Amino acid sequence: EVQLVQSGAEVKKPGESVKISCKTSGYTFSNYWIAWVRQMPGKGLEWLGVVYPHDSDTRYCPSFQGQVTISAAKSSATAYLQWNSLKASDTAIYYCAKGGFLIRGAFLAWGQGTLVTVSS
Amino acid sequence: SYVLTQPPSLSVAPGQTARITCGGDNIGSRYVHWYQQKPGQAPVVVVYDNSDRPSGIPERLSGSNSGNTATLTITRVEAGDEADYYCQLWDSRSDPPGWVFGGGTKLTVL
Repeated sequence: EVQLVQSGAEVKKPGESVKISCKTSGYTFSNYWIAWVRQMPGKGLEWLGVVYPHDSDTRYCPSFQGQVTISAAKSSATAYLQWNSLKASDTAIYYCAKGGFLIRGAFLAWGQGTLVTVSS
Repeated sequence: SYVLTQPPSLSVAPGQTARITCGGDNIGSRYVHWYQQKPGQAPVVVVYDNSDRPSGIPERLSGSNSGNTATLTITRVEAGDEADYYCQLWDSRSDPPGWVFGGGTKLTVL
């Protein structure tokens, strides 16, 4: 069974850094794209970026380029999303999702989401 | 960049058919995926590659894609279908290429 288990909720102050994780199991981690998706309170889904663990090929949505860093560790089958300097507007639920072997493949499995709250 | 347009809301009586549309320029030439999201839960894919269903998704949910509109059709609507629905595609023709989500449609079962 494919599973994506995300790290727990974070409460941070503006300017702080944070790294959230997405531990996968049940499939060959290296061979499938992993995506990160944001959902702000009461809003729709927004794509932040994707990473291909096999060679760490990473693509970012232009709106988030330079704002976040996406990475993947093959040794632990875990993907990461990190911020170096959070803003209040980063408050949202962040989901990881297992993509396809091809980059256009649907997100067939999702993590449970990680709530990041940024408040002074 | 590529834009996907969905109606914000749709209301349907139980037992009737819901058709949720997703408009985009020549969307019929692309692969469209659909997600269902219930309150407090992560999204779940209900249709991928325009019309394929993952295992466990009932046949009542089906997808089609032609011209400038992709459609998710839910027949014999049930109370449990009440959710937000999002369409999505990989836009390989923009620079840079990337994923695009529609704004979502809130389906209310009357």
